[in-house]
Amino acid sequence: AQSVTQPDIHITVSEGASLELRCNYSYGATPYLFWYVQSPGQGLQLLLKYFSGDTLVQGIKGFEAEFKRSQSSFNLRKPSVHWSDAAEYFCAVGANYGGSQGNLIFGKGTKLSVKP
Amino acid sequence: ETGVTQTPRHLVMGMTNKKSLKCEQHLGHNAMYWYKQSAKKPLELMFVYSLEERVENNSVPSRFSPECPNSSHLFLHLHTLQPEDSALYLCASSQDRPSYGYTFGSGTRLTVV
Repeated sequence: AQSVTQPDIHITVSEGASLELRCNYSYGATPYLFWYVQSPGQGLQLLLKYFSGDTLVQGIKGFEAEFKRSQSSFNLRKPSVHWSDAAEYFCAVGANYGGSQGNLIFGKGTKLSVKP
Repeated sequence: ETGVTQTPRHLVMGMTNKKSLKCEQHLGHNAMYWYKQSAKKPLELMFVYSLEERVENNSVPSRFSPECPNSSHLFLHLHTLQPEDSALYLCASSQDRPSYGYTFGSGTRLTVV
């Protein structure tokens, strides 16, 4: 069965510092991979997604993620964090076929705090 | 209006009340989902509708009753809820299944007193 692990529950970085949020997945074939961001009391907004092709994916708000098949990872990065990036980030994996396996499976999330 | 709209944004209800949450999508998607998000818990998938048919019900108590009258609208009818049902309820939609990615609404913050 598919699964997603986000090892870091909470990360604090200084404004202007670089950021990397980790995501590991378990899936037998090439998955569809997603990163979402959630501000307090809001829904989830899609940051970026990977289906195939170039393993380095660019998203909104200056975020990027790299798919590494050998490591089963899809880590999210940003070179310089802004205070407005403070939020919770969710990694998700989806299958390329239907049925219940076609649902997105979400990680437990990583809460990002940004200090001035 | 575009995207996925959920109403109300906030709801406080007693344990004996009956209320409904509404979700509307203007994206032309044909699959819709209800998720529950509680503090310190992962997102819990509750129901999945594809082409207006319920295709998944993840062992959700019968006090939660979904309804999908057409591909643009999804409801969650609530009755005799418990305090532990207090949570953020998120609606999402997608184009087809498998999952090419979901578009989420802003959620309804439900408090059961």
